[in-house]
Amino acid sequence: EAQVTQNPRYLITVTGKKLTVTCSQNMNHEYMSWYRQDPGLGLRQIYYSMNVEVTDKGDVPEGYKVSRKEKRNFPLILESPSPNQTSLYFCASSFGAYTTTGAQYFGPGTRLLVL
Amino acid sequence: KNEVEQSPQNLTAQEGEFITINCSYSVGISALHWLQQHPGGGIVSLFMLSSGKKKHGRLIATINIQEKHSSLHITASHPRDSAVYICAVTLNTGNQFYFGTGTSLTVIP
Repeated sequence: EAQVTQNPRYLITVTGKKLTVTCSQNMNHEYMSWYRQDPGLGLRQIYYSMNVEVTDKGDVPEGYKVSRKEKRNFPLILESPSPNQTSLYFCASSFGAYTTTGAQYFGPGTRLLVL
Repeated sequence: KNEVEQSPQNLTAQEGEFITINCSYSVGISALHWLQQHPGGGIVSLFMLSSGKKKHGRLIATINIQEKHSSLHITASHPRDSAVYICAVTLNTGNQFYFGTGTSLTVIP
């Protein structure tokens, strides 16, 4: 089954404790992206990757890191989480070097609470 | 300043009604996307379009590039259409996405 998986689905942590949210897709997609969703603000792009070893900042990259060492995986790293990073996070992927070549497939979301 | 504006924010309809959700954007785009977010939180892509009109079942999406406006229509609405509908654009200067804040649709039986 074609899918984007994220782990964990739910996470409660404390300020400053490094964490990684994993994202993996099995569709051989080139484009992958991370978004956060907050009430009243909607979805906002954090980072995206056009291909292996190619990453770029989205609208709200501060406090986040990503890496793309393999085509299928695109982990999101919070090196020192803060309460303002409490949010619902989505990973997504799509075909092609350009997003216009296809629809995005979204993961199920990761709900993060930073105390 | 929001690059993507949606209206209405909330919409309640009776089953069977024709529904229109609007999206306006202020930037140059290479594509516009309509997404559906289910009450459980999952997001699915409904349409991606750069011109004209697309239809899938009871859903129709149109875009007017000159007016920087898109509409999502739902014909013969059904309670299972209740969801948040989100408009998103891909900038023509790169591969970034910008999103509207969504339209929450409730269809009453």
